[in-house]
Amino acid sequence: DAGVIQSPRHEVTEMGQEVTLRCKPISGHNSLFWYRQTMMRGLELLIYFNNNVPIDDSGMPEDRFSAKMPNASFSTLKIQPSEPRDSAVYFCASSLGRPGPWDEQFFGPGTRLTVL
Amino acid sequence: AQKVTQAQTEISVVEKEDVTLDCVYETRDTTYYLFWYKQPPSGELVFLIRRNSFDEQNEISGRYSWNFQKSTSSFNFTITASQVVDSAVYFCALSEIQGAQKLVFGQGTRLTINP
Repeated sequence: DAGVIQSPRHEVTEMGQEVTLRCKPISGHNSLFWYRQTMMRGLELLIYFNNNVPIDDSGMPEDRFSAKMPNASFSTLKIQPSEPRDSAVYFCASSLGRPGPWDEQFFGPGTRLTVL
Repeated sequence: AQKVTQAQTEISVVEKEDVTLDCVYETRDTTYYLFWYKQPPSGELVFLIRRNSFDEQNEISGRYSWNFQKSTSSFNFTITASQVVDSAVYFCALSEIQGAQKLVFGQGTRLTINP
């Protein structure tokens, strides 16, 4: 079975440009998570969805960031306009999404974003 | 508020040595789960183990073992007879029942096993 798929794997863009990161969760998983990893702040949860509905977006840094999940098999994280401080590795993860805190999350390979 | 602390930023040992990675957590919930993930040089995070707050039994899986102690709010991870392939960044994480499925990660410990 395929794992979590993210694209692109690497993205280099210039400040001010729009960036869209994509994620396909594991089939049958009902929860999807977006994380950002930086040296300074470690792994931070940005937003998570359950059954395609955003449940908690308190980690989204500011209005420049937006996330959507139009269906169970696809999600996007958009940054517009991008800034150099957005440079990080962005991970998508999915889980079965059962009620409760016990489901392990399966992570994608990440997208390394560099904003010049 | 929930918090996970991994005080060891980096550890370097020689192959075949035993090594313990520390994890201390803070939570107000009585029901919670603790996790360990491994991030090898390839970059993606790999789930290793899950432990709930009501189960303080130690867990052993091959060369890996985990020691959960509620009295000290710790969930430490030991690798016995370390191997070069164990080199990675290891993350401890906490999920509270009030936080539903949110994972709060520690800062990670970079483990280097030297041949």
